[in-house]
Amino acid sequence: GDSVTQMEGPVTLSEEAFLTINCTYTATGYPSLFWYVQYPGEGLQLLLKATKADDKGSNKGFEATYRKETTSFHLEKGSVQVSDSAVYFCALLSQGFQKLVFGTGTRLLVSP
Amino acid sequence: DAGVTQSPTHLIKTRGQQVTLRCSPKSGHDTVSWYQQALGQGPQFIFQYYEEEERQRGNFPDRFSGHQFPNYSSELNVNALLLGDSALYLCASSYYYSSGNTIYFGEGSWLTVV
Repeated sequence: GDSVTQMEGPVTLSEEAFLTINCTYTATGYPSLFWYVQYPGEGLQLLLKATKADDKGSNKGFEATYRKETTSFHLEKGSVQVSDSAVYFCALLSQGFQKLVFGTGTRLLVSP
Repeated sequence: DAGVTQSPTHLIKTRGQQVTLRCSPKSGHDTVSWYQQALGQGPQFIFQYYEEEERQRGNFPDRFSGHQFPNYSSELNVNALLLGDSALYLCASSYYYSSGNTIYFGEGSWLTVV
C-alpha cells in the first residue's frame, strides 16, 4: 500500500539556520503531496502542496519540490525562526482517492 | 468563512463507555473524513463520508462508526471505549470532485479514556 517515510526527529537548529526535512513516498499512480504543520496542542495546518512531478510548493518561506524520479518531497527553509518550532508531517493523497497517508512526523526545535 | 469546526475540544470517558464527536466542514465542502492521531504518531485514516454514505474505511474496528447529515456535518461514534482509543480525533473536509484536492483539518477533539 501507499506509504510515507520521514526523517526521525527531533531536528534541533539555531535561529536563522537552514532546514531540510526529508520525505520519501511509495505510491501507485500519481499522488498529490503535502506538508502539514502541527503546533503544540493544535490541529493540522496545511503548509504547502504539489500535485504533479516537478511542481514546487511554497509558503511562509518553506519550499518543497515533487521529485518523481526519487519519489521525494523534501521540505526546506533558508532561515528558520523560533516560531517555526512544531511537528511537520509529510503526506500523500492517492490518485482517485481522498485519503491522506501521513508520515510519522518530524519535530523541529529552533533555539534563539 | 468558517473553517472546519469540531466539538467537543476535550473530553474524558471511562472504559466501556460510548462517545460522539462532531464536525462541521468548511463552507463549500461536501466530504468529511475522520483521522485518529495517537500521541507521537501521524494521523491514521478512519473513514470518509460523502453524500451521507461511508465511501472509504481504514483499518479500524466496527466499534468506530459515523454518520453524515444532509448539511454535510458529521459525527464519529466510538463504542465500548478502550484505553488505546485515547487520542486526538481530527476531522478533515474537502470537495469531492476537486482534483489535486486540498484537505483542511479542524483543531481536533482530545479524547482521554480512563
